[in-house]
Amino acid sequence: DAMVIQNPRYQVTQFGKPVTLSCSQTLNHNVMYWYQQKSSQAPKLLFHYYDKDFNNEADTPDNFQSRRPNTSFCFLDIRSPGLGDAAMYLCATSRDWGYQETQYFGPGTRLLVL
Amino acid sequence: AQSVTQLDSQVPVFEEAPVELRCNYSSSVSVYLFWYVQYPNQGLQLLLKYLSGSTLVKGINGFEAEFNKSQTSFHLRKPSVHISDTAEYFCAVSDRSNQGGKLIFGQGTELSVKP
Repeated sequence: DAMVIQNPRYQVTQFGKPVTLSCSQTLNHNVMYWYQQKSSQAPKLLFHYYDKDFNNEADTPDNFQSRRPNTSFCFLDIRSPGLGDAAMYLCATSRDWGYQETQYFGPGTRLLVL
Repeated sequence: AQSVTQLDSQVPVFEEAPVELRCNYSSSVSVYLFWYVQYPNQGLQLLLKYLSGSTLVKGINGFEAEFNKSQTSFHLRKPSVHISDTAEYFCAVSDRSNQGGKLIFGQGTELSVKP
């Protein structure tokens, strides 16, 4: 089945220690998204890639970076995680960028910062 | 700017009872509306979406939603819930004024189905 895969499902890191979360997709979609979802809150878009074009949300902290080396993979790098960065990180894809496109989500990676 | 309000943070209901999860939005232009479900420790799964046409939209797992433009609402309903429907439900909106495909999510409604 075509899908969005996130690894690992759970990630523990130390305060200030860089961490990378990964996402892959077999849907061959052009757009990949990263969302942050804190406990009992709505998912919040951090950034998205349209193909190789990176689009950062205005309020995404500089501490968060992303890479998309090819169509299938996208990475979220947190350069110096703080306690406030503990959250579920959701990767999503869509066929194209547009208001009527359906986004397909992966299972998420839960990040714990000690 | 767009916004989405889910009026109930938690909805407890007994198995086989009907349920309605409420969603209101604000936008100055035509909107596209989505309901997603999130089971514990999982990602979001699309339940249904309204893009145009009939205002009554049917989705997976027996859910349906009705788009009401005059009341700016998109409430989700199911006539008879199961234990397995226990999950978090998110309403989301996108519109033509937005940066293309950006989704704005509501705060979520936790549906708890009791035996």
